[in-house]
Amino acid sequence: GEQVEQLPSSLIVQEGASVLINCSYTDSASVYFPWYKQEPGKRLQFIIDIRSNMERKQTQRLTLLFDKKTKHLSLHITATQPGDSAIYFCSASLNYGSSGNKLIFGIGTLLSVKP
Amino acid sequence: DAGVTQTPRHEVAEKGQTIILKCEPVSGHNDLFWYRQTKIQGLELLSYFRSKSLMEDGGAFKDRFKAEMLNSSFSTLKIQPTEPKDSAVYLCASSPDWTSAETLYFGSGTRLTVL
Repeated sequence: GEQVEQLPSSLIVQEGASVLINCSYTDSASVYFPWYKQEPGKRLQFIIDIRSNMERKQTQRLTLLFDKKTKHLSLHITATQPGDSAIYFCSASLNYGSSGNKLIFGIGTLLSVKP
Repeated sequence: DAGVTQTPRHEVAEKGQTIILKCEPVSGHNDLFWYRQTKIQGLELLSYFRSKSLMEDGGAFKDRFKAEMLNSSFSTLKIQPTEPKDSAVYLCASSPDWTSAETLYFGSGTRLTVL
């Protein structure tokens, strides 16, 4: 079945730095890739997504790049703030138009932003 | 806000016990998911319901894990019998319409400790 891998597993940066979180998936039939983040002690929340017919999506300080050929995604966060400290999860879904699909998550990347 | 509600927040069980975790999805959502979260494995899908019908029963988790959704506003996850390796955070999530790539809304989780 589908597998999602994330690197690095953890990251420590100074406030203001940019970070890159990489994600790869195995099933070329995957079409939808939402990202979630989990701040300490809080629920997972959706932050950004991309579909397989796109190469890039940007929202505020987040840029998500998608390479269908290499089955690779990368999440770029600019001007990081201590409030960005969280676990970031990449996920992949096969054919979200089908009622039988499921969302598979990576193991997460723990980002710590030091003031 | 009336988000996804999970109870209890914490559960401690002896090995071999039966435990039942509860989830109330966001009112009106059609899709409900159960995930297990550990630091080593990340988020693992246990079950997925669409309009109360079981669409995914979690493969490797089938033997001791059983999720049910008897009505659209309530789901349970039964673990029987519990083993120490089941110690994890169990997350419930709902979505208005996952097949149209609507976002998942997560609950706060139930932290299970099996002694």
